[in-house]
Amino acid sequence: QKEVEQNSGPLSVPEGAIASLNCTYSDRGSQSFFWYRQYSGKSPELIMSIYSNGDKEDGRFTAQLNKASQYVSLLIRDSQPSDSATYLCAVVFSGGYQKVTFGTGTKLQVIP
Amino acid sequence: GAGVSQSPSNKVTEKGKDVELRCDPISGHTALYWYRQSLGQGLEFLIYFQGNSAPDKSGLPSDRFSAERTGGSVSTLTIQRTQQEDSAVYLCASSHAGNTEAFFGQGTRLTVV
Repeated sequence: QKEVEQNSGPLSVPEGAIASLNCTYSDRGSQSFFWYRQYSGKSPELIMSIYSNGDKEDGRFTAQLNKASQYVSLLIRDSQPSDSATYLCAVVFSGGYQKVTFGTGTKLQVIP
Repeated sequence: GAGVSQSPSNKVTEKGKDVELRCDPISGHTALYWYRQSLGQGLEFLIYFQGNSAPDKSGLPSDRFSAERTGGSVSTLTIQRTQQEDSAVYLCASSHAGNTEAFFGQGTRLTVV
């Protein structure tokens, strides 16, 4: 069973701090990785995609991928209360149906 | 259209009735997903369509649930003989291909009374 694992949280950080969200996955052959944000009562929205080992930065967001450790993370710098949401990690596994598989999400609370 | 469109936005139905939920994916997207999300819970995968391939139905919770995708575009999720535990938000997503990022519709909130 191919899985995407996330700590459900909540992860609480003070405003202005760095929030670090982590995700592990079971399939070493996975090639595509995504982070989504879901506000309460809303649909998930894509915030980052990453395909290669290393870091990818977009504004206050940095995605980090380590395929050897089967680990992908999302850093949010200068966290704002508006960043409070559930963050979903998604992975495309190799073989079989190459579809996006989601983790259960980590709830982030940014405390003013 | 510009985004994934789902209808209706809200549906209230009586227990035992059948319901149909519609998803219109982004134009040109070959992959389409259905998920269910109960209050405070994560996404529950239901079914996945990719082009003309046989769909991945591994997430359908019972034989009361079925889905089809006509002409490789619009999809309909049908729930027969609805039960109260079917109450949830049903989300549809589409992507250009199976291994690319998926974009979600606004969802259909189903309430079974």
